[in-house]
This record gives sequence, structure tokens and C-alpha cells, in this order.
Amino acid sequence: EVQLVESGGGLVQPGGSLRLSCEASGFPFSSYWIHWVRLAPGKGPAWVGCINTDGSSTSYADSVQGRFTISRDNAKNTLYLQMNSLRAGDTAVYYCGRGLAVVAGFGDYWGQGALVTVSS
Amino acid sequence: QSALTQPASVSGSPGQSITISCTGTSSDVGGYNFVSWYQHHPGKAPKLVLYDVNERPSGISYRFSGSKSGNTASLTISGLLAEDEADYYCSSYTSSNTWVFGGGTSLTVL
Repeated sequence: EVQLVESGGGLVQPGGSLRLSCEASGFPFSSYWIHWVRLAPGKGPAWVGCINTDGSSTSYADSVQGRFTISRDNAKNTLYLQMNSLRAGDTAVYYCGRGLAVVAGFGDYWGQGALVTVSS
Repeated sequence: QSALTQPASVSGSPGQSITISCTGTSSDVGGYNFVSWYQHHPGKAPKLVLYDVNERPSGISYRFSGSKSGNTASLTISGLLAEDEADYYCSSYTSSNTWVFGGGTSLTVL
């Protein structure tokens, strides 16, 4: 069974940092791109960024470029989202989503979400 | 990375068909056949219902179909069921090597 399990969410002050993890199981993790998407309260999904299979290439939304970093450890089947210089506008539930196998796109499987609250 | 444009809401009666549009630019929707559609219920992760404009993931009903013309993609749901009531979002790959979502459409099944 494909599973993605996020952890690391919590309350952080503006300007602070937080690292989310996404542990995968049930599929060959190192063969799949992984994306991060966030859902702010009362809003629709927003794409955050993605990472390729071996971690050599990443891409980010303008809103997080330079502040967020996506990495992966294929030996541990785990994806990371390092979030720095957090702002109130980053408050959201963050989901990791699996990229599609042989085509562009993502989201055939998702984690359960990790709530990040940025507030003083 | 401007959000793709979708109607705020659509509605239909059970058994009818509805279509939701998703308008972008030649740098996203119009430039690539990498348009996806997601069904979203508040508090849950989005559910992928179409990818590559008109491909259905395993387990998605044939009632969901997609198309694209120029800079506008469309999702059609035929034979509406009460369970189809949800928010729907389109997403497209962009020329900046990023992805962008639409603003979302609330579907009401009357």
C-alpha cells in the first residue's frame, strides 16, 4: 500500500524556521518525483515546489523561492521541506504528493498533511 | 505565476452534465498538455481526477473527462451524482518549470 506520512508541523513565530518530513512506503521512492502543495485556511491548493528522483533538481513557487528548500534521502525513503523566514502567509496545511509515474503531473497519492501555523 | 482562471461556481441537477473551464496563457495551459484536475473536499487532500488534459487515474469514473482548446482547458462531469459536489481545481505546468493551480470552482448538485 502506498503511504506518505508527513511530520514536523507546528507553531512557529514569524521569521522562524521549521522542517517538515514526508516518509514514503509501498512504492519505489527513488523512482518518483515528489511535490509539496499547501492549503491555507479557507483557500484552495497552492503548489509549493518539487524535487526530481535523485534530488539533483528542484523547482519552487515564486512565493517561497529563496526561503524554502526541498531535499530527499532516498536511502531513508524520506522527503524534507526546510522552511526559513516564515511569514504569517505561510500558515497552511502542507501536503507531500507523489509525482505521476511516466508523465508530468502529481497527486495520485498524498500524505495526511502537516499543519504549519506562523504566529506570534 | 498568476493563478489560472476558473468560474467561482457551477451547478447542475443529478444526471445532468456540467463543464468547468480553466483559462491560462500560452505559457501554461496553452503551451503544454500537462493539465490536471483535482476534486477537493475541505479538510482533505486534493483527489486527482484527470491528468494530461484527459487521462483518468485508476479508479476514477468514466464520467470525468477533459479537453483543451488554446489557452482554455475544460473538465466535464456527466451523469452528475450527489457525491460529485465538491470544489474542483485545475493545475498546469508552466514555462517557468513550475506548476500553477486555478482559483477553484465550487460544484453544487441541486
